[in-house]
Amino acid sequence: AQKVTQAQTEISVVEKEDVTLDCVYETRDTTYYLFWYKQPPSGELVFLIRRNSFDEQNEISGRYSWNFQKSTSSFNFTITASQVVDSAVYFCALYSGGGADGLTFGKGTHLIIQP
Amino acid sequence: DAGITQSPRHKVTETGTPVTLRCHQTENHRYMYWYRQDPGHGLRLIHYSYGVKDTDKGEVSDGYSVSRSKTEDFLLTLESATSSQTSVYFCAISEIAGGTTDTQYFGPGTRLTVL
Repeated sequence: AQKVTQAQTEISVVEKEDVTLDCVYETRDTTYYLFWYKQPPSGELVFLIRRNSFDEQNEISGRYSWNFQKSTSSFNFTITASQVVDSAVYFCALYSGGGADGLTFGKGTHLIIQP
Repeated sequence: DAGITQSPRHKVTETGTPVTLRCHQTENHRYMYWYRQDPGHGLRLIHYSYGVKDTDKGEVSDGYSVSRSKTEDFLLTLESATSSQTSVYFCAISEIAGGTTDTQYFGPGTRLTVL
């Protein structure tokens, strides 16, 4: 069975602080893909990143960075120098193709950036 | 942005009535998905399609049926709506699935309220 755990239900920080969103996953497959999506208050789901299980390189995109560690089954997301526009619900998701061809989502972390 | 539209965007209906939600894509992607989003649950897969007239069940398929008669359209039907089906419904598309995967891109969502 596949599972994604986002233990942080809600995080509130002051603007310009760094913040890390945790994601822990479970799968029996050796080939799998991990994703992060952003859901701003307007409600749409915005794709942020995809990482496959064979690529443990960390990735940086502007103020966003992702730390993938297979040893701890984690795929954490860090926002550096947070801004009010980063306020959103962030979802971590897993695809391993072992069952239905859909994504398994975590329950999401609601990030609040206070000015 | 991926060319995905959902209709209607909002719907209020009564228990026991049939409801059909439509997802339309202009990307000619093979795979289409229906998810529902509920507080505390993240997104959960209802049904998916891997080609015209090819569909399969997801995690929470009870009470739902789907049809895909054209590549661009994927319909979700609630034969007899219940209050437990009050939710936000998202359609997603991707080009590749099953062993390897491309990214799933999401439509804007449909907010359904069953009274």
